[in-house]
Amino acid sequence: EPEVTQTPSHQVTQMGQEVILRCVPISNHLYFYWYRQILGQKVEFLVSFYNNEISEKSEIFDDQFSVERPDGSNFTLKIRSTKLEDSAMYFCASSGLRRLRDTGELFFGEGSRLTVL
Amino acid sequence: GENVEQHPSTLSVQEGDSAVIKCTYSDSASNYFPWYKQELGKGPQLIIDIRSNVGEKKDQRIAVTLNKTAKHFSLHITETQPEDSAVYFCAASSARQLTFGSGTQLTVLP
Repeated sequence: EPEVTQTPSHQVTQMGQEVILRCVPISNHLYFYWYRQILGQKVEFLVSFYNNEISEKSEIFDDQFSVERPDGSNFTLKIRSTKLEDSAMYFCASSGLRRLRDTGELFFGEGSRLTVL
Repeated sequence: GENVEQHPSTLSVQEGDSAVIKCTYSDSASNYFPWYKQELGKGPQLIIDIRSNVGEKKDQRIAVTLNKTAKHFSLHITETQPEDSAVYFCAASSARQLTFGSGTQLTVLP
């Protein structure tokens, strides 16, 4: 069964360092997302990506965050200068539907746990 | 933007009993309402979803109801089993952005 894969599963970094989280979405999917979940809290939307550009982003997704699809398979989330409050589980998700106004099933990866010290 | 409230935050039931989790949403434009199950250390997995043109949907022991007028939707799990123990999230979507509820920790006691 196709799945979304994420690496690394866990990353520990010092405050102020840059971090790149990687995702391989399901191969025929068109929409890609990053969500985050601070420990014990709800899953929060960060950004959606379609047709090689950001289609929506939340207030959390400030100038410290960026996303990229550097090749045909990877989808990355970069945090330029990490803060303590960036510690969370980051989930990548992908969805296949073409119609922009329809939301289809989002397939989530297993997540990347980021710990900022 | 959309705001999703979920209750209860924790729920314990005896094996074989039913469990009900309720959510309300604020944006009348939301048209897609999925429910996710999250096991410890894993990503959310879709268990059932419902669109705004349907009032109820059932899949074996799991059912979801939607009341668009009142802007609330519920998850019903019947004949609960220990493997149903997990955190359950409701979500609502408009414009392709999912907004999640705060989650319900369901514990099924053997």
